[in-house]
Amino acid sequence: SQELEQSPQSLIVQEGKNLTINCTSSKTLYGLYWYKQKYGEGLIFLMMLQKGGEEKSHEKITAKLDEKKQQSSLHITASQPSHAGIYLCGAAPALIQGAQKLVFGQGTRLTINP
Amino acid sequence: KAGVTQTPRYLIKTRGQQVTLSCSPISGHRSVSWYQQTPGQGLQFLFEYFSETQRNKGNFPGRFSGRQFSNSRSEMNVSTLELGDSALYLCASRPGTSVAEAFFGQGTRLTVV
Repeated sequence: SQELEQSPQSLIVQEGKNLTINCTSSKTLYGLYWYKQKYGEGLIFLMMLQKGGEEKSHEKITAKLDEKKQQSSLHITASQPSHAGIYLCGAAPALIQGAQKLVFGQGTRLTINP
Repeated sequence: KAGVTQTPRYLIKTRGQQVTLSCSPISGHRSVSWYQQTPGQGLQFLFEYFSETQRNKGNFPGRFSGRQFSNSRSEMNVSTLELGDSALYLCASRPGTSVAEAFFGQGTRLTVV
Protein backbone atom coordinates (compact mmCIF):
# COMPACT_ATOMS: atom_id res chain seq x y z
CA SER A 1 0.00 0.00 0.00
CA GLN A 2 1.09 3.55 -0.54
CA GLU A 3 2.76 5.38 2.31
CA LEU A 4 3.59 9.04 2.63
CA GLU A 5 6.52 10.23 4.67
CA GLN A 6 6.64 13.85 5.76
CA SER A 7 9.72 15.62 7.00
CA PRO A 8 10.39 17.20 9.31
CA GLN A 9 7.80 16.06 11.85
CA SER A 10 8.02 19.40 13.60
CA LEU A 11 9.56 22.72 12.75
CA ILE A 12 10.15 25.88 14.76
CA VAL A 13 11.15 28.96 12.81
CA GLN A 14 11.59 32.62 13.51
CA GLU A 15 8.97 34.89 12.03
CA GLY A 16 10.10 36.15 8.66
CA LYS A 17 12.21 33.09 7.84
CA ASN A 18 11.62 30.73 4.93
CA LEU A 19 10.91 27.05 5.43
CA THR A 20 10.32 23.85 3.45
CA ILE A 21 8.28 20.75 4.25
CA ASN A 22 8.75 17.57 2.23
CA CYS A 23 6.41 14.74 1.38
CA THR A 24 7.77 11.54 -0.14
CA SER A 25 5.83 8.61 -1.54
CA SER A 26 6.86 5.04 -2.15
CA LYS A 27 4.70 4.97 -5.28
CA THR A 28 3.66 7.25 -8.12
CA LEU A 29 1.24 9.94 -7.05
CA TYR A 30 -1.85 10.62 -9.16
CA GLY A 31 -2.85 13.62 -7.10
CA LEU A 32 -0.96 15.30 -4.29
CA TYR A 33 -2.80 17.48 -1.82
CA TRP A 34 -1.54 19.91 0.77
CA TYR A 35 -3.72 20.86 3.71
CA LYS A 36 -3.29 22.93 6.82
CA GLN A 37 -4.97 22.03 10.09
CA LYS A 38 -5.35 23.93 13.32
CA TYR A 39 -5.46 21.58 16.29
CA GLY A 40 -8.77 19.75 16.51
CA GLU A 41 -10.25 21.50 13.52
CA GLY A 42 -10.93 20.64 9.93
CA LEU A 43 -8.46 20.60 7.08
CA ILE A 44 -7.98 23.76 5.06
CA PHE A 45 -7.27 23.04 1.42
CA LEU A 46 -4.07 24.67 0.18
CA MET A 47 -3.18 23.17 -3.17
CA MET A 48 -3.48 20.12 -5.38
CA LEU A 49 -0.79 19.01 -7.82
CA GLN A 50 -1.20 16.41 -10.51
CA LYS A 51 1.41 16.77 -13.18
CA GLY A 52 5.09 15.98 -12.78
CA GLY A 53 7.02 19.23 -12.50
CA GLU A 54 3.91 21.18 -11.58
CA GLU A 55 4.28 24.14 -9.26
CA LYS A 56 1.51 26.19 -7.66
CA SER A 57 1.52 29.21 -5.40
CA HIS A 58 -0.98 30.78 -3.08
CA GLU A 59 0.05 33.94 -1.31
CA LYS A 60 3.41 33.08 0.28
CA ILE A 61 3.07 29.30 -0.05
CA THR A 62 4.48 27.39 -3.02
CA ALA A 63 4.15 23.68 -3.65
CA LYS A 64 5.96 21.56 -6.23
CA LEU A 65 5.57 18.01 -7.47
CA ASP A 66 8.76 16.49 -8.81
CA GLU A 67 9.05 15.10 -12.32
CA LYS A 68 8.79 11.49 -11.22
CA LYS A 69 5.69 12.33 -9.17
CA GLN A 70 6.96 10.70 -6.02
CA GLN A 71 7.91 13.73 -3.96
CA SER A 72 6.41 17.09 -3.20
CA SER A 73 7.69 20.09 -1.28
CA LEU A 74 5.83 22.94 0.36
CA HIS A 75 7.75 26.17 0.73
CA ILE A 76 6.70 29.15 2.83
CA THR A 77 8.38 32.47 2.22
CA ALA A 78 8.71 35.09 4.95
CA SER A 79 6.75 33.08 7.50
CA GLN A 80 4.11 34.75 9.67
CA PRO A 81 2.34 33.68 12.87
CA SER A 82 -0.73 32.89 10.77
CA HIS A 83 1.23 30.10 9.08
CA ALA A 84 1.47 28.13 12.32
CA GLY A 85 -0.38 24.83 12.34
CA ILE A 86 -0.10 21.26 11.14
CA TYR A 87 0.62 20.72 7.47
CA LEU A 88 -0.57 17.49 5.93
CA CYS A 89 0.15 16.03 2.56
CA GLY A 90 -2.39 13.64 1.09
CA ALA A 91 -2.17 11.53 -2.01
CA ALA A 92 -4.56 9.75 -4.28
CA PRO A 93 -2.74 6.60 -5.29
CA ALA A 94 -5.30 5.83 -7.95
CA LEU A 95 -8.96 6.03 -8.75
CA ILE A 96 -10.83 2.86 -7.87
CA GLN A 97 -14.28 2.82 -9.42
CA GLY A 98 -14.11 6.56 -9.44
CA ALA A 99 -13.45 6.72 -5.73
CA GLN A 100 -10.57 8.76 -4.42
CA LYS A 101 -9.11 7.20 -1.29
CA LEU A 102 -6.64 9.68 0.08
CA VAL A 103 -3.74 8.51 2.18
CA PHE A 104 -2.05 11.07 4.40
CA GLY A 105 1.35 11.70 5.84
CA GLN A 106 1.72 11.98 9.58
CA GLY A 107 1.83 15.78 9.43
CA THR A 108 4.38 18.49 10.12
CA ARG A 109 3.77 20.73 13.13
CA LEU A 110 4.91 24.25 12.33
CA THR A 111 5.55 26.80 15.08
CA ILE A 112 6.41 30.40 14.27
CA ASN A 113 8.27 32.35 16.94
CA PRO A 114 7.75 36.12 16.94
CA LYS B 1 -20.63 29.39 -1.68
CA ALA B 2 -21.02 27.47 1.56
CA GLY B 3 -18.34 24.98 2.49
CA VAL B 4 -18.66 21.45 3.77
CA THR B 5 -20.90 21.36 6.84
CA GLN B 6 -20.64 18.68 9.47
CA THR B 7 -23.02 18.25 12.38
CA PRO B 8 -22.81 18.02 15.26
CA ARG B 9 -19.41 19.52 16.06
CA TYR B 10 -19.06 17.68 19.34
CA LEU B 11 -20.56 14.50 20.74
CA ILE B 12 -20.11 12.55 23.94
CA LYS B 13 -21.43 9.00 23.94
CA THR B 14 -21.25 6.00 26.22
CA ARG B 15 -19.70 2.67 25.27
CA GLY B 16 -22.19 0.42 23.54
CA GLN B 17 -24.30 3.25 22.17
CA GLN B 18 -24.55 4.16 18.54
CA VAL B 19 -24.02 7.50 16.84
CA THR B 20 -24.91 9.15 13.55
CA LEU B 21 -22.86 11.95 12.04
CA SER B 22 -23.97 14.15 9.18
CA CYS B 23 -22.13 15.81 6.32
CA SER B 24 -23.50 18.26 3.76
CA PRO B 25 -21.11 18.69 0.84
CA ILE B 26 -20.42 21.83 -1.13
CA SER B 27 -23.33 22.63 -3.40
CA GLY B 28 -22.91 20.75 -6.66
CA HIS B 29 -20.44 18.25 -5.25
CA ARG B 30 -21.58 14.68 -5.50
CA SER B 31 -18.75 12.73 -3.89
CA VAL B 32 -18.49 12.54 -0.13
CA SER B 33 -15.77 10.68 1.71
CA TRP B 34 -15.25 10.11 5.41
CA TYR B 35 -12.06 9.98 7.43
CA GLN B 36 -11.16 9.22 11.02
CA GLN B 37 -8.36 11.14 12.68
CA THR B 38 -6.70 9.96 15.87
CA PRO B 39 -3.37 10.92 17.46
CA GLY B 40 -2.05 7.39 17.08
CA GLN B 41 -3.21 6.46 13.59
CA GLY B 42 -3.47 9.84 11.94
CA LEU B 43 -5.99 10.34 9.15
CA GLN B 44 -7.54 7.15 7.85
CA PHE B 45 -10.04 6.66 5.06
CA LEU B 46 -13.39 5.20 6.04
CA PHE B 47 -15.49 5.21 2.85
CA GLU B 48 -16.61 7.28 -0.10
CA TYR B 49 -20.01 7.73 -1.65
CA PHE B 50 -21.06 8.95 -5.06
CA SER B 51 -24.61 8.96 -6.39
CA GLU B 52 -25.84 7.20 -3.27
CA THR B 53 -23.44 4.28 -3.85
CA GLN B 54 -20.46 3.35 -1.75
CA ARG B 55 -17.47 3.40 -4.11
CA ASN B 56 -14.65 2.43 -1.80
CA LYS B 57 -14.20 1.35 1.78
CA GLY B 58 -11.28 1.49 4.18
CA ASN B 59 -10.17 -1.11 6.70
CA PHE B 60 -12.71 -0.52 9.42
CA PRO B 61 -15.05 -3.01 11.09
CA GLY B 62 -18.64 -3.40 9.99
CA ARG B 63 -19.75 -1.26 12.94
CA PHE B 64 -18.87 1.69 10.74
CA SER B 65 -21.40 2.30 8.01
CA GLY B 66 -22.62 5.14 5.91
CA ARG B 67 -25.08 6.24 3.31
CA GLN B 68 -25.69 9.04 0.91
CA PHE B 69 -28.96 10.66 0.02
CA SER B 70 -30.21 11.91 -3.33
CA ASN B 71 -29.23 15.47 -2.40
CA SER B 72 -25.63 14.23 -1.84
CA ARG B 73 -25.80 14.71 1.92
CA SER B 74 -24.16 11.82 3.72
CA GLU B 75 -24.38 10.22 7.11
CA MET B 76 -22.08 7.82 8.85
CA ASN B 77 -23.13 5.57 11.66
CA VAL B 78 -21.07 3.83 14.27
CA SER B 79 -22.79 1.14 16.28
CA THR B 80 -21.74 -0.46 19.55
CA LEU B 81 -19.29 2.31 20.32
CA GLU B 82 -15.91 1.47 21.80
CA LEU B 83 -13.50 3.75 23.64
CA GLY B 84 -11.15 3.51 20.66
CA ASP B 85 -13.75 5.13 18.43
CA SER B 86 -13.04 8.46 20.09
CA ALA B 87 -11.71 10.59 17.28
CA LEU B 88 -12.23 13.54 15.01
CA TYR B 89 -14.41 12.44 12.09
CA LEU B 90 -13.95 14.45 8.94
CA CYS B 91 -15.83 14.43 5.70
CA ALA B 92 -14.60 15.73 2.39
CA SER B 93 -16.47 16.62 -0.76
CA ARG B 94 -15.39 16.85 -4.37
CA PRO B 95 -17.33 17.42 -7.56
CA GLY B 96 -17.43 13.96 -9.10
CA THR B 97 -15.41 10.87 -9.72
CA SER B 98 -12.26 12.27 -11.26
CA VAL B 99 -9.19 13.31 -9.32
CA ALA B 100 -10.07 16.77 -8.10
CA GLU B 101 -9.72 19.18 -5.24
CA ALA B 102 -11.21 17.75 -2.07
CA PHE B 103 -12.54 20.10 0.59
CA PHE B 104 -13.00 19.10 4.19
CA GLY B 105 -15.51 20.10 6.82
CA GLN B 106 -14.70 21.20 10.37
CA GLY B 107 -15.20 17.71 11.68
CA THR B 108 -17.18 16.08 14.45
CA ARG B 109 -15.28 15.41 17.65
CA LEU B 110 -16.64 12.16 19.11
CA THR B 111 -15.73 11.20 22.64
CA VAL B 112 -16.72 7.77 23.91
CA VAL B 113 -16.75 7.34 27.69
